[in-house]
Amino acid sequence: KAGVTQTPRYLIKTRGQQVTLSCSPISGHRSVSWYQQTPGQGLQFLFEYFSETQRNKGNFPGRFSGRQFSNSRSEMNVSTLELGDSALYLCASSLMESGAYEQYFGPGTRLTVT
Amino acid sequence: KNQVEQSPQSLIILEGKNCTLQCNYTVSPFSNLRWYKQDTGRGPVSLTIMTFSENTKSNGRYTATLDADTKQSSLHITASQLSDSASYICVTLRGNTGNQFYFGTGTSLTVIP
Repeated sequence: KAGVTQTPRYLIKTRGQQVTLSCSPISGHRSVSWYQQTPGQGLQFLFEYFSETQRNKGNFPGRFSGRQFSNSRSEMNVSTLELGDSALYLCASSLMESGAYEQYFGPGTRLTVT
Repeated sequence: KNQVEQSPQSLIILEGKNCTLQCNYTVSPFSNLRWYKQDTGRGPVSLTIMTFSENTKSNGRYTATLDADTKQSSLHITASQLSDSASYICVTLRGNTGNQFYFGTGTSLTVIP
């Protein structure tokens, strides 16, 4: 089976712009979670989608949003980018809701905001 | 406050030696604890998942232990290899809250020849 794929792998944006990141889960997986990883804060949970519904949300401002499509693919959007949004954005998929199941991470999208 | 703390922050060992990484958590109620390995430039890869009833779990040269009473976990790496150089992240799932994960900031391990 193909692993979790994320596009694009690298992105450079300017402050104030918006960005959309995409995640394709492992075939058959219904849960997709998004994380932000920075050197100072480590991994931080953004949100999880299961069957097109947001099931859980971390402590991030409303500028961060996401959605999941019927084929389980997910997108994450960040509006009005700030310098502090520069980070590695990881998505992870699991067969069912991630609490009791193995999570498989993608390679991440490296976002740089200038 | 729900937290996960890992030690040491970084570690350098010689190839072939063993090492132990520590994880202390205050997350409550506790559901399960995971160890991930993250190579530079890649996403984390799961090593073990343990529930509160499990004391030890192995995955090849990796052995994780869990003491739910003291809220401590360790990851022991046996006969280290150069490919073990990575960041090791401890993650705790808080029970009864859906999927609320708490992440440690990781231990950076460097194995030198």
